Amino acid sequence: GAVVSQHPSWVICKSGTSVKIECRSLDFQATTMFWYRQFPKQSLMLMATSNEGSKATYEQGVEKDKFLINHASLTLSTLTVTSAHPEDSSFYICSARDRDLPGTQYFGPGTRLLVL
Amino acid sequence: RKEVEQDPGPFNVPEGATVAFNCTYSNSASQSFFWYRQDCRKEPKLLMSVYSSGNEDGRFTAQLNRASQYISLLIRDSKLSDSATYLCVSHTGGGNKLTFGTGTQLKVEL
Repeated sequence: GAVVSQHPSWVICKSGTSVKIECRSLDFQATTMFWYRQFPKQSLMLMATSNEGSKATYEQGVEKDKFLINHASLTLSTLTVTSAHPEDSSFYICSARDRDLPGTQYFGPGTRLLVL
Repeated sequence: RKEVEQDPGPFNVPEGATVAFNCTYSNSASQSFFWYRQDCRKEPKLLMSVYSSGNEDGRFTAQLNRASQYISLLIRDSKLSDSATYLCVSHTGGGNKLTFGTGTQLKVEL
């Protein structure tokens, strides 16, 4: 089956630093990738939709200057949490839509971010 | 009101029991629905799609009632390995946007 990887799996950083998370589709091309965030005991919340070769579309309440998204190729999207603060600590999950199977979304294993 | 609502549980059931979860959605434009399973500290994984005609996959049966905007998941003969959080998910529009419920936690016990 289709595989999506995320790197790193977890990261601990100091407040004020920036953290980059990579999402890769390993055996298919993804024109669209999605970034979610999940706080403990809450549902996954869509943060933004990442489109290859164009600007990301952010959901209401998500700061685009805080969460920078780059989708430079059909297999890679990155999310950078700039100047991270403790309230940004969360589980960040990406998913990718197979270009050839538009009804599908495959999820990455997630990145757990802890900001001290 | 949340777009997809679920009872968070937890539901504690003995091994071998039959358990049902319900979910309601508020967006009548939602086109398709899914049940995902999420284990603790892991990403969600697709369990099954949900069709109006009802569909079954082994011990799992899903049902959609568009008139009532209601979705259900039935698990028969529960196994310890079924312990997880079950997420009700709606899919809307050509943008392939998924909306997740908060999930229902199931704990299957000996």
